[in-house]
Amino acid sequence: KNEVEQSPQNLTAQEGEFITINCSYSVGISALHWLQQHPGGGIVSLFMLSSGKKKHGRLIATINIQEKHSSLHITASHPRDSAVYICAVRDGNKLVFGAGTILRVKS
Amino acid sequence: GAVVSQHPSWVICKSGTSVKIECRSLDFQATTMFWYRQFPKQSLMLMATSNEGSKATYEQGVEKDKFLINHASLTLSTLTVTSAHPEDSSFYICSVGGRGDEDIQYFGAGTRLSVL
Repeated sequence: KNEVEQSPQNLTAQEGEFITINCSYSVGISALHWLQQHPGGGIVSLFMLSSGKKKHGRLIATINIQEKHSSLHITASHPRDSAVYICAVRDGNKLVFGAGTILRVKS
Repeated sequence: GAVVSQHPSWVICKSGTSVKIECRSLDFQATTMFWYRQFPKQSLMLMATSNEGSKATYEQGVEKDKFLINHASLTLSTLTVTSAHPEDSSFYICSVGGRGDEDIQYFGAGTRLSVL
């Protein structure tokens, strides 16, 4: 069993839809990161969470430490949101990555 | 602007040659940098942790003589793929740790290596 599991693996949505990507982890962590990787490969850090909820524009990230679960929500999705979204947990000095969720938003 | 600069973004080389990839922290001094490898349609895999002024810490299964890491200054770490082979073809990404309590990771744009 992977230490960090994401679902779904692939997601296709229509423009404007509300999107949720889930991340479950089995290791003890000090922080959880949500990352966005565009087709060219570049990675952007979206959020770093250790508890509760954070919001940035149309993106919302939540984490439940007791349940070892985090969600990334995208409201009013847009084709430019199409990317791979990666959940990563900090285990000591290292980041352990999920396999990523490939999101495609159609116009 | 970019916090981390990675160069080159794309390199093609012949089998048996060595390739050097640079990772620069533009905005702050980084005592620690991380090097990752990503195969197509797979997630990132940590290769090694680069420590300024000391030896890098390699993950299990990563050959340190194959992937030489040098972190000679607080703003520059280099990864050299020595005697590259086609199986070394991959996407290599560096990251720099966050500042203070933020712990945000800043990633380079990545280097796509193709070994012929």
